Amino acid sequence: KAGVTQTPRYLIKTRGQQVTLSCSPISGHRSVSWYQQTPGQGLQFLFEYFSETQRNKGNFPGRFSGRQFSNSRSEMNVSTLELGDSALYLCASSLVDPAYNEQFFGPGTRLTVL
Amino acid sequence: AQSVSQHNHHVILSEAASLELGCNYSYGGTVNLFWYVQYPGQHLQLLLKYFSGDPLVKGIKGFEAEFIKSKFSFNLRKPSVQWSDTAEYFCAVNSPYNQGGKLIFGQGTELSVKP
Repeated sequence: KAGVTQTPRYLIKTRGQQVTLSCSPISGHRSVSWYQQTPGQGLQFLFEYFSETQRNKGNFPGRFSGRQFSNSRSEMNVSTLELGDSALYLCASSLVDPAYNEQFFGPGTRLTVL
Repeated sequence: AQSVSQHNHHVILSEAASLELGCNYSYGGTVNLFWYVQYPGQHLQLLLKYFSGDPLVKGIKGFEAEFIKSKFSFNLRKPSVQWSDTAEYFCAVNSPYNQGGKLIFGQGTELSVKP
């Protein structure tokens, strides 16, 4: 069974640009969550989607947005990039409700903002 | 706000030594507890989880953890570490009734095992 896949794996952008990251969950998984990992702040929750609906959102500015498609694939978008957005962005999928099910993490997308 | 605290930032052990990594959380309601591991160059993967029942849970690769509700703790243990256990370990909590699947992670503990 294929794991969670994230594309692209590495990305370099400049301040002010926008970026879209993609996540394909494990086949059959309906929930996707996104996390940001930085050396200073650690792992922080961005948002959670289930059946195309955002069910939960972390404390990030409105520049961070996401969506989920009918095939459970998810994208997150960051607009007007800032230097501080440089991070590893992790996607995790869960069969159904992630509150009571294991979340499987992908390899992440390493975003560098110059 | 809910938070998770891991006591040690970096632990260095020799092979065959025993391991205990501390984790405390701040939330008085119902919680689910997790330990994740990130081996060098690899994905985060689940070591073990506690939802309910026996507070002593066993995970993969010989790891176990004990949930002590009165101490808000969920410490990770392994009787004898191996060089291959070198990794970063993260404790995480969610509060299923309030925040669903949102995981709150500790800052991580980097474990280095000397051969």
